[in-house]
Amino acid sequence: GESVGLHLPTLSVQEGDNSIINCAYSNSASDYFIWYKQESGKGPQFIIDIRSNMDKRQGQRVTVLLNKTVKHLSLQIAATQPGDSAVYFCALKAAGNKLTFGGGTRVLVKP
Amino acid sequence: EPEVTQTPSHQVTQMGQEVILRCVPISNHLYFYWYRQILGQKVEFLVSFYNNEISEKSEIFDDQFSVERPDGSNFTLKIRSTKLEDSAMYFCASRPGQGIYEQYFGPGTRLTVT
Repeated sequence: GESVGLHLPTLSVQEGDNSIINCAYSNSASDYFIWYKQESGKGPQFIIDIRSNMDKRQGQRVTVLLNKTVKHLSLQIAATQPGDSAVYFCALKAAGNKLTFGGGTRVLVKP
Repeated sequence: EPEVTQTPSHQVTQMGQEVILRCVPISNHLYFYWYRQILGQKVEFLVSFYNNEISEKSEIFDDQFSVERPDGSNFTLKIRSTKLEDSAMYFCASRPGQGIYEQYFGPGTRLTVT
């Protein structure tokens, strides 16, 4: 079946340091991957996405890496700021158009 | 910047009552979704809607659930007879169309069933 999992439930990071959030998935038919940020009481907010024909994509202070061989996805946040404190979800799309979400990683930025 | 909106932000209802959660997707988006998130758990897919019909639904989306796009802007989720376990955050999402898979989420409606 399809499952999406996360390695670390909570990540504490010093302000200014880089953060890396990891996500493992099981469905090799997944063709699209997306990272969302969710702040308390709000809906998921798009951060960055990547299609299965790519292995790296960069945005503003964020980079997503995709390793299809080991079915692993990561989100790197450069120079983490207090406003980056939130829960981060990876999600994937396989057949159909629904998204399957991982369990979430909480990022806590220490001043 | 256009965004998905949802009303109400919080709905309290008694078990067995019907509730309707409302969403206004981003205009010119063609695909619409409902997800739910039980407190402390992951976001779960409920249903997707395209071209005025359900295109996909999960096991959670049983006969107690229905969706409707009554006009050109609203997208609703109805739960006919609520159960305690329906208590969750319900998120509406939309995306533009073919080839663009990024889904934009609304702020959610917190449903509390007592």
